[in-house]
Amino acid sequence: NAGVTQTPKFQVLKTGQSMTLQCAQDMNHNSMYWYRQDPGMGLRLIYYSASEGTTDKGEVPNGYNVSRLNKREFSLRLESAAPSQTSVYFCASRGGQVGPQHFGDGTRLSIL
Amino acid sequence: QKEVEQNSGPLSVPEGAIASLNCTYSDRGSQSFFWYRQYSGKSPELIMFIYSNGDKEDGRFTAQLNKASQYVSLLIRDSQPSDSATYLCAVRTGNQFYFGTGTSLTVIP
Repeated sequence: NAGVTQTPKFQVLKTGQSMTLQCAQDMNHNSMYWYRQDPGMGLRLIYYSASEGTTDKGEVPNGYNVSRLNKREFSLRLESAAPSQTSVYFCASRGGQVGPQHFGDGTRLSIL
Repeated sequence: QKEVEQNSGPLSVPEGAIASLNCTYSDRGSQSFFWYRQYSGKSPELIMFIYSNGDKEDGRFTAQLNKASQYVSLLIRDSQPSDSATYLCAVRTGNQFYFGTGTSLTVIP
């Protein structure tokens, strides 16, 4: 009963390095989301994918790219990491028109 | 800019009391409303959601929605120390969700 699985759980990068955060869901959900959570800022949407083959920008997309690889997987890429991207990143998925989001355990990313 | 506002707290209640958490939102086109609980260092977990005006009860939790006032609340009855967490209000408009910054609740034994 995995739900939403994110890898890695922790990562430390140097400024300018690149990396991809992985997210997979086994609930056959159409919609998937990437958020970042910073102290005092709440959850902010980076990108989302309403269905396989589509992606859209959220509130804070700059510095990020995404790929909806198939219905199960939605990855987030940082091409050139900056200290301002130090955050906790959550992936979520949602099924149906009115259903809630289900969250993964998060990736704690530090950029030095 | 779609906004979701919550009192950041901290809110402290004694064990067994009723905790009342409030949330207002700016977009009248918002369609569904969610309450999540988040323990420190953990991911948000869904408590309940509501999309029609009125009350919805689930065990010790009651969500209340007033679309005319753009207001949604969560009542926790018989509060327990295990309810101590941050509570996030979220609002869905189309395919996007907007979150408040959360209210920190402490239940004192």
